[in-house]
Order: sequence, then structure tokens, then C-alpha cells
Amino acid sequence: SQTIHQWPATLVQPVGSPLSLECTVEGTSNPNLYWYRQAAGRGLQLLFYSVGIGQISSEVPQNLSASRPQDRQFILSSKKLLLSDSGFYLCAWRDSPSYNSPLHFGNGTRLTVT
Amino acid sequence: AQSVTQLDSQVPVFEEAPVELRCNYSSSVSVYLFWYVQYPNQGLQLLLKYLSGSTLVESINGFEAEFNKSQTSFHLRKPSVHISDTAEYFCAVTGAGGTSYGKLTFGQGTILTVHP
Repeated sequence: SQTIHQWPATLVQPVGSPLSLECTVEGTSNPNLYWYRQAAGRGLQLLFYSVGIGQISSEVPQNLSASRPQDRQFILSSKKLLLSDSGFYLCAWRDSPSYNSPLHFGNGTRLTVT
Repeated sequence: AQSVTQLDSQVPVFEEAPVELRCNYSSSVSVYLFWYVQYPNQGLQLLLKYLSGSTLVESINGFEAEFNKSQTSFHLRKPSVHISDTAEYFCAVTGAGGTSYGKLTFGQGTILTVHP
């Protein structure tokens, strides 16, 4: 069966520090991968998605970047965190190329920038 | 492009009462619709989905949702809620095909609180 792992679960980082959140998927190949950010009362905002190794699409301009160095690995990064980067970050995957297949989410990382 | 509006940010109900969480969408193409549930400090879990066929879809834990194309709605209902249903619920939509790569557009979420 397929599983998704996301870590760390919680993270407290000072403003200006770097960030690296990692997500890996097991039990499937060539998944579509997504990074979402959830802010209280604002639903989920799609940050990045990837349809293959090295292929990253950015949905909103921001202080973050994403990379996909391996088929089932998706990394969210920042060189210098801002206070506004605080939030709950969710990684998700879906079968490719089934547009009607649902997203499967990891348990999220709660990032607090101080 | 698609958009989703969840009409209620919070819905408090008593245990064993019925509940309806409202969702309206906007799209210029055919859509697939989903409801997800999120328990505190966890990721989202798929509750149910509408892809095609019968407009009434059901989940294994008693929720149901009805796709209404004319009203562009996909409201979530349960005839009798339990304390354990307390969570945040998200409605989501994606365009059927095209080059959207299956990107989901989520509503703002509805917090369902079930009181004893």
C-alpha cells in the first residue's frame, strides 16, 4: 500500500534562518506531488506541484522554493525565513495521470517563525 | 479556473442532530468534487468524491453529499452526528481533464463542533 511521510512534525525557526521540509512517498511510482500551506481560516493554498523529477511548477511568488531530486521525494526550502512563512505545510501525492484521483496528504509540518 | 466557497466557517451542533455543511463552486468546465476532513494537527483525509454518475455519494461513516449542477453545489450532510465528527471539513474541486494536472482548489474550510 502507498504511504506518505512528512517531517518534521513541528519546527520553530528564527527569522532569517534556512528551511528544509522533506516529503517522501512509498508504494507508488511517478506520482504527482504537491506542497500546500494552510493558514487559519484561509483554507489551503497550493504552493508547488511536480509531475516528474526536476519538474517544479510554482503557483504563487514567495520566499519558498521546491525541488524533486528523486521520483518520490519532494523538498520545500527557503534560504531566509520570514514571519509570514509561519503556517501548517502539507505534502500530498496523487496517481499520475489520473486527474480524477484524490489527493493523499501527509500529516503536515507546523512551522513557527519567531 | 475553478473556485470554491464554503458558506459557513463554523457550525456548532448537538450530538445526534442532523448537519449540513454547504459548498458552492464555480467552473467553466466539467468538474470533479471532493470533501476532505481534517482532525487537529493532522493532514487531510478524503471523505467522499463525486466523479460522474449518481449525483448522491456516500462515505463509509454516514456522510453523504449531493452534486447539484444547476445550483453548482456539493453540500455535505449527515442525519445524526457524533462527538467524533468534530473536525474541519474542506470542499475541493478540480477541472475534469485539461492541463490542470489535477490541481485541487479548496474552500476555506468549515469547523464542525459537535456538543454533547
